[in-house]
Amino acid sequence: GDSVTQMEGPVTLSEEAFLTINCTYTATGYPSLFWYVQYPGEGLQLLLKATKADDKGSNKGFEATYRKETTSFHLEKGSVQVSDSAVYFCALTPRGGSEKLVFGKGTKLTVNP
Amino acid sequence: DADVTQTPRNRITKTGKRIMLECSQTKGHDRMYWYRQDPGLGLRLIYYSFDVKDINKGEISDGYSVSRQAQAKFSLSLESAIPNQTALYFCATSDTGINEQYFGPGTRLTVT
Repeated sequence: GDSVTQMEGPVTLSEEAFLTINCTYTATGYPSLFWYVQYPGEGLQLLLKATKADDKGSNKGFEATYRKETTSFHLEKGSVQVSDSAVYFCALTPRGGSEKLVFGKGTKLTVNP
Repeated sequence: DADVTQTPRNRITKTGKRIMLECSQTKGHDRMYWYRQDPGLGLRLIYYSFDVKDINKGEISDGYSVSRQAQAKFSLSLESAIPNQTALYFCATSDTGINEQYFGPGTRLTVT
């Protein structure tokens, strides 16, 4: 079945450090890929998405590129801030219109001043 | 006001009790979902509904039931709560054909 594997945390960085959170997927066909963010005490919010190979999603300084050849969708940010501290989830929806999200287990990021 | 609301936000209940979690949305979306979140396991789909007359089981539906009372309302019930149903529960919505889901703030349920 479809699945998402993301790097385990927690990840702790200093402010202005470079962030990479790895995400790989297994799916038939060409899924849509997402990164969701969960700030403390809140629900999940869509951070960015990509719907086809080589698409780059970007938002709030975060980027991720849909790499079909490596089945990956790694999240990057050049300079993190304390306010980026949150749990990040990689997810996919299988092609075919079901729109059911399959989530990775989440990666907790803590950014220290 | 929030687009997707969940009530209650926190609930402590005892083993064997029946409990209902409620979700309401003002986004006008047809599709609604219930997930549970457990530490280290991410989110797992319990049930989903693509319209008022359509209810489908997700990957972990055992021990749960749902009711879609209207386009805007989707309730999750635990008929006889057990401790391993202690978790954070999220409701989400999406528009037909648009693969982006909007999440409520969550309900933290503790079963003692």
